Amino acid sequence: DAGVTQSPTHLIKTRGQHVTLRCSPISGHKSVSWYQQVLGQGPQFIFQYYEKEERGRGNFPDRFSARQFPNYSSELNVNALLLGDSALYLCASSLDRDLEDTQYFGPGTRLTVL
Amino acid sequence: AQSVAQPEDQVNVAEGNPLTVKCTYSVSGNPYLFWYVQYPNRGLQFLLKYITGDNLVKGSYGFEAEFNKSQTSFHLKKPSALVSDSALYFCAARHNFNKFYFGSGTKLNVKP
Repeated sequence: DAGVTQSPTHLIKTRGQHVTLRCSPISGHKSVSWYQQVLGQGPQFIFQYYEKEERGRGNFPDRFSARQFPNYSSELNVNALLLGDSALYLCASSLDRDLEDTQYFGPGTRLTVL
Repeated sequence: AQSVAQPEDQVNVAEGNPLTVKCTYSVSGNPYLFWYVQYPNRGLQFLLKYITGDNLVKGSYGFEAEFNKSQTSFHLKKPSALVSDSALYFCAARHNFNKFYFGSGTKLNVKP
């Protein structure tokens, strides 16, 4: 079975631009979460979506937004990019929305903001 | 502030020796605890989790973790390390939908 897939793999943007990152969950998984991993740090939780609705949100500014589609895939949008947004963005899917559900991570999208 | 701590940035161990990667948490309630491993330029791979029950949890690739509620710890262990175990290990805790805390990671180096 295919795992979590993310696109693109790498992305270079300039300050002030907008970016959209995409994620396809494992088949049958209904929940998708997004994380930001800055170099040398652990992942920071951004959002969790379940059945197209936001179920959890971390401490990120409103420049960050996301949505989930009927096929459970998801997009993460970041507006007005800052240099500090440079990071590896990870998507994770889980079967359901229960707290104990294991999250399975994709390979990530490496975003560089110049 | 609620957090997960991995006190060692790096752990060095010889192949064949037992390994321990430490994790302590400061999260309210009864959090669910997880260990993940990250190889270079890869996403995180799930190793094991503690939900409830037996304090010793067995996971993938021969890893296990010991939950200690009184010490709020969840240390990752393996009886015999392999060179291929060399990677970055993350401990995580979760207790509600808005809070999924990861530690800063511990780099494990297993030398032949």
